[in-house]
Amino acid sequence: DTEVTQTPKHLVMGMTNKKSLKCEQHMGHRAMYWYKQKAKKPPELMFVYSYEKLSINESVPSRFSPECPNSSLLNLHLHALQPEDSALYLCASSQVGTANTGELFFGEGSRLTVL
Amino acid sequence: AQRVTQPEKLLSVFKGAPVELKCNYSYSGSPELFWYVQYSRQRLQLLLRHISRESIKGFTADLNKGETSFHLKKPFAQEEDSAMYYCALAGFNKFYFGSGTKLNVKP
Repeated sequence: DTEVTQTPKHLVMGMTNKKSLKCEQHMGHRAMYWYKQKAKKPPELMFVYSYEKLSINESVPSRFSPECPNSSLLNLHLHALQPEDSALYLCASSQVGTANTGELFFGEGSRLTVL
Repeated sequence: AQRVTQPEKLLSVFKGAPVELKCNYSYSGSPELFWYVQYSRQRLQLLLRHISRESIKGFTADLNKGETSFHLKKPFAQEEDSAMYYCALAGFNKFYFGSGTKLNVKP
């Protein structure tokens, strides 16, 4: 299995809702990433987990809360989002220590719309 | 500061024509550079990486440290090459993506 699976594919939520995005991989990768991609823009790094521990937070607002419950799963908890948070959220994984030379495997993304 | 620049937002060429997608970077250490591609309705995927010096789908890219460039080239473009191409620089466990170039290969 060489895929990163993200659910849901589409999510619409109000500004007072609490929802979660989920990501799963079974490639044995111990580094997992959340990226945000706005239309016609490149992916922007949000968080990096390494061995299930948060290693990089790119100054993301606290209304986004990541969680890595085990080596195969990565969640992004959403609360009190703003309409400008509407975007495609991409999950990726890689071998730890090889992000500099290896490959990021991306999921298809979860398209989030905040009303 | 780490930065990847792709100066062209859109590049249109005819089938069979050569294509070059430009990428320039700035990085304080020894960079690891990649090209990622996103075909319509497909996920972002690795096209090639500079350390492997390989040719994928006829594309090649050479790292020029003097010019801090990593341009992507193909001698004869095909219609199926139409996609969004991102140059990426890896460092400190992060990937920095350029703004992307949309390649449109016309029949």
